[in-house]
Amino acid sequence: AQSVSQHNHHVILSEAASLELGCNYSYGGTVNLFWYVQYPGQHLQLLLKYFSGDPLVKGIKGFEAEFIKSKFSFNLRKPSVQWSDTAEYFCALEGFQKLVFGTGTRLLVSP
Amino acid sequence: DAGVTQSPTHLIKTRGQQVTLRCSPISGHKSVSWYQQVLGQGPQFIFQYYEKEERGRGNFPDRFSARQFPNYSSELNVNALLLGDSALYLCASSEGGQPQHFGDGTRLSIL
Repeated sequence: AQSVSQHNHHVILSEAASLELGCNYSYGGTVNLFWYVQYPGQHLQLLLKYFSGDPLVKGIKGFEAEFIKSKFSFNLRKPSVQWSDTAEYFCALEGFQKLVFGTGTRLLVSP
Repeated sequence: DAGVTQSPTHLIKTRGQQVTLRCSPISGHKSVSWYQQVLGQGPQFIFQYYEKEERGRGNFPDRFSARQFPNYSSELNVNALLLGDSALYLCASSEGGQPQHFGDGTRLSIL
């Protein structure tokens, strides 16, 4: 069975703090992994994706994620968050023609 | 370029009624997927269509149905609405194995 777990449901940080959001997955095959972001009042947008190759992937707005196959993890990181990063973040895997999402992490960045 | 467009944006129905939600994919995208997002959870896969054929179906009852038209637009139909069908319904389009692009969704409220 395919599943995605996001460990942090709510995260509160001050501006300039570093961010790491955890994501673990379960899938018995070659996996494509994604992080999507949903800013308040906006639609889901792709932050970054991993299909194959370099396990460290860089996305938009300074975000990056590392695919660690042995740990079934795909954690999202950003060295220094900004107030504008306040949003909900979803980790997802692609398998059998569909995306399977985690429950999401709400990030609040205080100025 | 226009993104994925969904209509209507909001809808209020009562239990037992039927509803039709509409989606227009990004120009050139032949694959359309539907997701249900209940408050506090990640999107759950309902259907995927490609070239007017159903390619995948999630764990939803037969009250949920969909179709795709020759212009690749799609409709999601839900019959005999239940209170638990209240959710944000998302449409996503893609092409050529690239990541899915999401619309703003239709917020369905059941009274």
